[in-house]
Formats: sequence, structure tokens, C-alpha cells
Amino acid sequence: IAGITQAPTSQILAAGRRMTLRCTQDMRHNAMYWYRQDLGLGLRLIHYSNTAGTTGKGEVPDGYSVSRANTDDFPLTLASAVPSQTSVYFCASSRDGSIGELFFGEGSRLTVL
Amino acid sequence: AQSVTQPDIHITVSEGASLELRCNYSYGATPYLFWYVQSPGQGLQLLLKYFSGDTLVQGIKGFEAEFKRSQSSFNLRKPSVHWSDAAEYFCAVGAGAGNMLTFGGGTRLMVKP
Repeated sequence: IAGITQAPTSQILAAGRRMTLRCTQDMRHNAMYWYRQDLGLGLRLIHYSNTAGTTGKGEVPDGYSVSRANTDDFPLTLASAVPSQTSVYFCASSRDGSIGELFFGEGSRLTVL
Repeated sequence: AQSVTQPDIHITVSEGASLELRCNYSYGATPYLFWYVQSPGQGLQLLLKYFSGDTLVQGIKGFEAEFKRSQSSFNLRKPSVHWSDAAEYFCAVGAGAGNMLTFGGGTRLMVKP
């Protein structure tokens, strides 16, 4: 079934450790996004990529980095995790960078202790 | 910058009753408006969207929403709620460069038998 695959589904991490959340899509969508979801705050955009080779900062980019080496993959890296990065992370994609429907993965729950 | 407010954090309705979820947005121009639904443990799924034209839009699963420019609102409605509608609902506004959606904090819907 076509869609977005995120890994890991859940992870507990010690503060200060490096962590990469993986995201792969098989819909050949040009644009991809990373959101974090926190209770009462909805989803907030961390980083995005409108096409392979380009990335941009969203609303809450500090402490996170991304890369987009090809169309299908869009990993999110926490270089040195802190407890405030405890959250549920969603990867999403859209056909292109214009306003339209986002397709979401099932999320990665990250706990930083 | 745009913003979205969903005034109701939790709503409980009886099965078969009508439903209205409120959404207010702030944006200087004509916004692109969306409603997404998130079932437990899942990613978000698009219910409906408004770009232009008819201010009453129909979505999946029997939902509809009405754009009211004078009230800066985009409320979601369903005439008869089913137990399977229990989920969290997010309103979002899209504007500016790229597909950068701003989400509201969400409304959690519970359905009583």
C-alpha cells in the first residue's frame, strides 16, 4: 500500500544522545514535511523540503536538522536530544510545494529522559 | 502570520446527534482551509478543504464545513454522528509560500452510545 513509512514507531532516548527519525514515501511526492504534535498545541512544522536537494525551516526548527538527498527519504535528526523534544513526530508529504493535501505517516513517539 | 483557534478542547455528543466543531482563523487574505481527522495511534487524514468558490464544502464520511469570511470561521458539521467518528479533529490554514499549514490545537470528540 502506497504511503509514508516512519521508523521507529516509538523510542526512549537519554538526553544528549543523537537520534534520527526515518521517513520514506513511495508516492513520488515532491514535498515533504516534519511536524511535532504536543497536547493542546496541535501540529507545529519543524522543517520542510519542497523538492529533493532543498530544505527549509518551519515554525520550530531549533535542535533539529533534515536532509533530502532523494525524493523518497526525509530523515529528521536530533543532534543532542533534550527533554523538551519529547513529542510525537509526524512526517508528511504532498504532491508539490503548493497548497494542497498533506499525507501523513503514523508517527514516531519519542521520549527523552 | 496566520493562526488557528479551536475553542473546544473536548466535545462529547450522543450517537445520532448532530455535531459542530468550531474553528476560527486569523489571516490577512483569503485563506486555504482544511479539516483533518486523527484516529488514535494514527496519522492525520484530510476530511475536506476550502480553496475558493462555494463556501459550503463537502468532505468524506458525511462531514461538511462552511467558510464564513465575516466571522473568520470554518466550522465543521455532521448531521448524525456515528461511534466511529470518535477521534481528534484539527483545523488548519494554509498561506504564504509553500504548503506550510498552521494547525489549531485540536478538538477531541467522544461519542456516547
